[in-house]
Amino acid sequence: QKEVEQNSGPLSVPEGAIASLNCTYSDRGSQSFFWYRQYSGKSPELIMFIYSNGDKEDGRFTAQLNKASQYVSLLIRDSQPSDSATYLCAVNRGSGNFNKFYFGSGTKLNVKP
Amino acid sequence: DGGITQSPKYLFRKEGQNVTLSCEQNLNHDAMYWYRQDPGQGLRLIYYSQIVNDFQKGDIAEGYSVSREKKESFPLTVTSAQKNPTAFYLCASSGDRTNTGELFFGEGSRLTVL
Repeated sequence: QKEVEQNSGPLSVPEGAIASLNCTYSDRGSQSFFWYRQYSGKSPELIMFIYSNGDKEDGRFTAQLNKASQYVSLLIRDSQPSDSATYLCAVNRGSGNFNKFYFGSGTKLNVKP
Repeated sequence: DGGITQSPKYLFRKEGQNVTLSCEQNLNHDAMYWYRQDPGQGLRLIYYSQIVNDFQKGDIAEGYSVSREKKESFPLTVTSAQKNPTAFYLCASSGDRTNTGELFFGEGSRLTVL
């Protein structure tokens, strides 16, 4: 079983729609969760992080965490063509002061004008 | 500005050659990481270092070596023992977990074996 699983997509949504990206993780001890956006040929950049159950909103982005179900999601409202990228879900399973991250394989999002 | 610098961005290697990828950070982070990314794949951990003069193997360390002689620097050597080295290599660093705990990435190095 993979540490972090994502649907590879591609997920296609029309401009202005809500894009919903999902991620599951295997270790119940995981404590923090991250969504990174990666444009083709570029390095990942952090979009959102979440530690507590529930929703966390930042502009057009909302991260949702359900630790009981071991499920993390990212909603992108009013999707724009510039949101077209691969979205990587990452889980931090470090201990003490050390961070150790596990990544999903990413979901490719296409936003059509 | 603070950040992570990787070099070179593009590198071509003949089979049987060792190559070293540079990674330098000025974020004053203790922890540094090397990841490998293949097309359509996520990031796989090669090596990581929590502190100077100490490092541990990640999930795919075979055929790679690292050193951590300075806090700012964490070079990765891709040896001839690595059977399929063509990939995108990402260096990252993180602060301690009292911060957000996020990973900061360099711009990556793309290695192609001819």
